[in-house]
Amino acid sequence: DIQMTQSPSSLSASVGDRVTITCRASQGIRNDLGWYQQKPGKAPKRLIYAASSLQSGVPSRFSGSGSGTEFTLTISSLQPEDFATYYCLQHNSFPYTFGQGTKLEI
Amino acid sequence: QVQLVQSGAEVKKPGTSVKVSCKASGFTFTTYGVTWVRQAPGQGLEWMGWISAYNGNNGNTNYAQKFQGRVTMTTDTSTTTAYMELRSLRSDDTAVYYCAREYYGGRVDYWGQGTLVTVSS
Repeated sequence: DIQMTQSPSSLSASVGDRVTITCRASQGIRNDLGWYQQKPGKAPKRLIYAASSLQSGVPSRFSGSGSGTEFTLTISSLQPEDFATYYCLQHNSFPYTFGQGTKLEI
Repeated sequence: QVQLVQSGAEVKKPGTSVKVSCKASGFTFTTYGVTWVRQAPGQGLEWMGWISAYNGNNGNTNYAQKFQGRVTMTTDTSTTTAYMELRSLRSDDTAVYYCAREYYGGRVDYWGQGTLVTVSS
């Protein structure tokens, strides 16, 4: 199975900050990775697909990069509504696997 | 618009089974797959498995090893509904179960609202 190591597990930041979250895959997954945002009591929402493509309707302050084994999600200027938990998901091979999540707190 | 509407919360006793439904609308069901994910209280997301609703794929599935032998995923293309049945329930199966649409080799985009399954004696 492909392991996804996500870091940090939690992050304290302020409105306007630039933040970066990283996912590392235990083996190469090309660009078969998505990033999801989840707020308490809600279903996950996709932000990024194919590692770097922005989901329609998602603000441009979100961006993704990477290929192979290392991937990053960057939020260029945090807004109050961005405080949530973020997950990466690899879908290169079964079983698909999520990162452990990053809780972004004020 | 794309919608995945799941069945309501369930309370089950240990050793019994639960079957969660996921009604799809707003897209051509038979050109996508369905992924199931669960989330235990306070925990992260866990991929459970996938089923193809593609025409001619005869409901191909792939399950996480952890659930092999206990889970069955099916689709009913006549009602555009996917189902996930989990058997021999234990207390640690207490979780919110999500269905999500899958396309193009694993890309997961739209999600259902989630179904809370509580396993308690």
